[in-house]
Amino acid sequence: DTAVSQTPKYLVTQMGNDKSIKCEQNLGHDTMYWYKQDSKKFLKIMFSYNNKELIINETVPNRFSPKSPDKAHLNLHINSLELGDSAVYFCASSPTGTGNTIYFGEGSWLTVV
Amino acid sequence: GNSVTQMEGPVTLSEEAFLTINCTYTATGYPSLFWYVQYPGEGLQLLLKATKADDKGSNKGFEATYRKETTSFHLEKGSVQVSDSAVYFCASFLYNQGGKLIFGQGTELSVKP
Repeated sequence: DTAVSQTPKYLVTQMGNDKSIKCEQNLGHDTMYWYKQDSKKFLKIMFSYNNKELIINETVPNRFSPKSPDKAHLNLHINSLELGDSAVYFCASSPTGTGNTIYFGEGSWLTVV
Repeated sequence: GNSVTQMEGPVTLSEEAFLTINCTYTATGYPSLFWYVQYPGEGLQLLLKATKADDKGSNKGFEATYRKETTSFHLEKGSVQVSDSAVYFCASFLYNQGGKLIFGQGTELSVKP
């Protein structure tokens, strides 16, 4: 029973396409996140949502649009994919409040060709 | 602003050697501190955490102590195994800054038999 699950795990697509990555958590957490890991393994937050409300939008191009239909789901839609979007995208969730652990999904490896 | 700095990798050790990976943080406040591990081709797993000064987090033989006076959270293990080969990330979390988990750049550890 996976706590934070994301699909697809691997995605290869052409420049200019639109794609989505889905994320679901069954931990009952209020807060969900998207992080991006670049080719040098550096991890940076993109978005966070609390109870379906956008809390953090970390200067991400507006081609990236998160959608949270309910507090257990946070999907990431990417329009007009560019080569530089190739990365690993991690979904995560946590309870609201300080000191709580953030749990990560397995990652989605996106390659834009 | 908040930041986390880790020692540069890669770190290469022989099996049963002592491991230290240095981590220091800057924060306007008192963050919770975490170590995450990423095995090759896998997602991020929580290794250990500490939420206040002088707390020691420990798991699977790894330890780290939250040192407020030196703003550090160094990771140690007394005897590493080949299976510990992975990338290790130090991270800090401040809820009053929007709830962002700030990562260090990661330290790759390679353990040789």
